[in-house]
Amino acid sequence: DTEVTQTPKHLVMGMTNKKSLKCEQHMGHRAMYWYKQKAKKPPELMFVYSYEKLSINESVPSRFSPECPNSSLLNLHLHALQPEDSALYLCASSQVSSGGQETQYFGPGTRLLVL
Amino acid sequence: GQQVMQIPQYQHVQEGEDFTTYCNSSTTLSNIQWYKQRPGGHPVFLIQLVKSGEVKKQKRLTFQFGEAKKNSSLHITATQTTDVGTYFCAGPPTGTALIFGKGTTLSVSS
Repeated sequence: DTEVTQTPKHLVMGMTNKKSLKCEQHMGHRAMYWYKQKAKKPPELMFVYSYEKLSINESVPSRFSPECPNSSLLNLHLHALQPEDSALYLCASSQVSSGGQETQYFGPGTRLLVL
Repeated sequence: GQQVMQIPQYQHVQEGEDFTTYCNSSTTLSNIQWYKQRPGGHPVFLIQLVKSGEVKKQKRLTFQFGEAKKNSSLHITATQTTDVGTYFCAGPPTGTALIFGKGTTLSVSS
């Protein structure tokens, strides 16, 4: 199974809502990532979890709160978002490597619209 | 900071023509990866290059990693309409997360 799944596929939320994005993989990967991708732009790294611990936070605003409850699951909790946060949110996973960067497997993403 | 530059930003070709996208890093890369993202889709891993001067082929796709490990290229021979999408190179400075190039969007007309 080389699949990363993400739910929901689409999400529309108001600026006062609280919602969560979910990501799951069963490849035994111990590194998981959240990326944000705006239209016609490359993915931008938000967070990296390694062995269920947050290892990289790319100065993401606190209205985005990641959580890694176990080695297969990754959540992104959203609260008080702004319209400019509308984007495709991609989850990815990979093996953990000390000497370089392993191949990342991306999920299909959640298309988020903040009104 | 570290940057990965990619050119061209857009390329339109007639079906059957060749296509090349180039990737340059401001720092030496431990490896470089290439991803393809179809319209409306998500990035899909194509290949990873690790060694200086490495060349790898996948059917009509040829990938090269420069001798200094600062640049790379993807060449597609005889493009087909199925090649449409955005091609991203991505590389880490040693030991850090991926940095994506801005991508080259390829369109193909039949």
